[in-house]
Amino acid sequence: DAGVIQSPRHEVTEMGQEVTLRCKPISGHNSLFWYRQTMMRGLELLIYFNNNVPIDDSGMPEDRFSAKMPNASFSTLKIQPSEPRDSAVYFCASSRTDSGANVLTFGAGSRLTVL
Amino acid sequence: QQPVQSPQAVILREGEDAVINCSSSKALYSVHWYRQKHGEAPVFLMILLKGGEQKGHEKISASFNEKKQQSSLYLTASQLSYSGTYFCGTGNSGSARQLTFGSGTQLTVLP
Repeated sequence: DAGVIQSPRHEVTEMGQEVTLRCKPISGHNSLFWYRQTMMRGLELLIYFNNNVPIDDSGMPEDRFSAKMPNASFSTLKIQPSEPRDSAVYFCASSRTDSGANVLTFGAGSRLTVL
Repeated sequence: QQPVQSPQAVILREGEDAVINCSSSKALYSVHWYRQKHGEAPVFLMILLKGGEQKGHEKISASFNEKKQQSSLYLTASQLSYSGTYFCGTGNSGSARQLTFGSGTQLTVLP
């Protein structure tokens, strides 16, 4: 199993540019989560999907952030326009919610720097 | 509301023991523990469900006191490989969908 795959691993962009982060969850996992990690705020849940449907996006900071999951094997997190305060490590994680006490498997993360 | 972890950081020598605490102001159903090494993704260690159970993973064990809304992670005879940041995630179900993570405890094990 290749685990949760995220791309790109590093992204440096200028303020105002559009950023798209990608995630491929583990095959057979039916829940997908996007987290943001910063020194100041720690690990914050942005949005999660269950069976490709967004269930809770209350953690999405503002309208500049959007996430999609067009099928069970792919999700994107888009920031448009990006701002310096969006600089963080963005993690995607997946889990199986039909296995009782399910746990998260995280991807390696995408480190975003907005100049 | 974010659970509170203590201490924020701990430094110990190889072979020493450490305890990391996690407390919540809300009633808990489950506590998840993860470890993150520098520059890497958090990795699942164990999950505890209400009932005050203890679990173990190698020389790492944990307890969960649902009445006190607290969990503790015990690292026995620490190894260099234990270094990293430990996060507790608390939830009101066993599901990972409702986890709220603490700010982390940075553990450094020195030779």
